[in-house]
Amino acid sequence: KQEVTQIPAALSVPEGENLVLNCSFTDSAIYNLQWFRQDPGKGLTSLLLIQSSQREQTSGRLNASLDKSSGRSTLYIAASQPGDSATYLCAVNVGAQKLVFGQGTRLTINP
Amino acid sequence: DTGVSQDPRHKITKRGQNVTFRCDPISEHNRLYWYRQTLGQGPEFLTYFQNEAQLEKSRLLSDRFSAERPKGSFSTLEIQRTEQGDSAMYLCASSSPGLVRATGELFFGEGSRLTVL
Repeated sequence: KQEVTQIPAALSVPEGENLVLNCSFTDSAIYNLQWFRQDPGKGLTSLLLIQSSQREQTSGRLNASLDKSSGRSTLYIAASQPGDSATYLCAVNVGAQKLVFGQGTRLTINP
Repeated sequence: DTGVSQDPRHKITKRGQNVTFRCDPISEHNRLYWYRQTLGQGPEFLTYFQNEAQLEKSRLLSDRFSAERPKGSFSTLEIQRTEQGDSAMYLCASSSPGLVRATGELFFGEGSRLTVL
């Protein structure tokens, strides 16, 4: 059974810092991995999707990497801003159109 | 493109009542998903439609739950005889056609929050 873990559960950093969020998964047989952002009480917003054959994806200040063999992904956020405060979730596609999510990292950027 | 819309956004009901949630996906998306999210947890997969066909169902979807997508457009999720444990955010997502087994990029709605008293 695929399990996804995100560490830390919460992170607070001052504005302007670069930061890394971690995601690990137990079964390397995945089709892709997605990172999402969720604001309190809201739905999820897709940030980046990395196919299993890819090593990384970039969008603006965000960069996500994937190391399938070690079961790890990282989301790098450059020059953090208060508007980046949210919960960040990673999810792996295990086939059969299912995503298995981690519990998320709650990020707070302090002005 | 108006995004994925869900209705109602909030529903408070008494235990034992039936509730129905509606999801309107992005118009050109033929794939539709339902997930459930409880406080402090990541979403859990419930079910998946490709067009009008329900192709995957989680064991989480007990016989009190039923989902439909009658014309391959909007979808409904009905919960019968609600229990307090059903209290959660019910999220709908859609995606465009892609590989058979792999999901594409999922676009989520704002969710329908259910509170069962």
